[in-house]
Amino acid sequence: QSVLTQPPSVSGAPGQRVTISCSGSSSNIGSGHDVNWYRQLPGTAPQLLIYGNSNRPSGVPDRFSASKSGASASLAITGLQAEDEADYFCQSFDTSLTGSRVFGTGTKVTVL
Amino acid sequence: QIQLVQSGVDVKKPGASVKVSCKASGYIFVEYGISWVRQAPGQGLEWMGWISGYTGHTRYAQKFHDRVIMTTDTSTSTAYLELRSLRSDDSAIYYCAKDETYISSSGFLDFWGQGALVTVSS
Repeated sequence: QSVLTQPPSVSGAPGQRVTISCSGSSSNIGSGHDVNWYRQLPGTAPQLLIYGNSNRPSGVPDRFSASKSGASASLAITGLQAEDEADYFCQSFDTSLTGSRVFGTGTKVTVL
Repeated sequence: QIQLVQSGVDVKKPGASVKVSCKASGYIFVEYGISWVRQAPGQGLEWMGWISGYTGHTRYAQKFHDRVIMTTDTSTSTAYLELRSLRSDDSAIYYCAKDETYISSSGFLDFWGQGALVTVSS
């Protein structure tokens, strides 16, 4: 169902840097559509983490950064902390059918 | 503060319909839209569709277009999701999220409801 592909899991020790990739195609990210990122802590609703490819909403620490290139995007977490352990989802817009929002497959970040 | 408060747990039999509500507060409802997203147990996020709070126009994901109806009641700032002909694989948490008033490629979901658990079981 998901048209954006993410690695199932990434892990790192506290203080380390981890990156999460989000691979799309010419009908979504590759068409220049914005990429947004969401974090979902266990048992809670998703929260907006990054919008418009690289912008952080108020309250999101600058340890979180994101970029986009071609048909892919990536999220980086620096200075990894225990509370960063969560599921992360990318999201974009796909024009292959009627035009719809699409989510990535999701990545579980584990802090070792 | 912006809040989206959803209806609670619902248990339905296969073939039945379910209607989930999402009451918005803290912003002008008609200046934005609502997207509905579901998450099956242990699975990822799946976008179901969007409704404009201003026009009531909808856009449904192809997968759901023949079974879903999204509506709003602007007098109470509430959005509704109705899903018909339920199957066991419709068991999921259904989230509403604040979206744009006119859906575009630059939109994002900046506030989410707490989720409504729907279980489909005979």
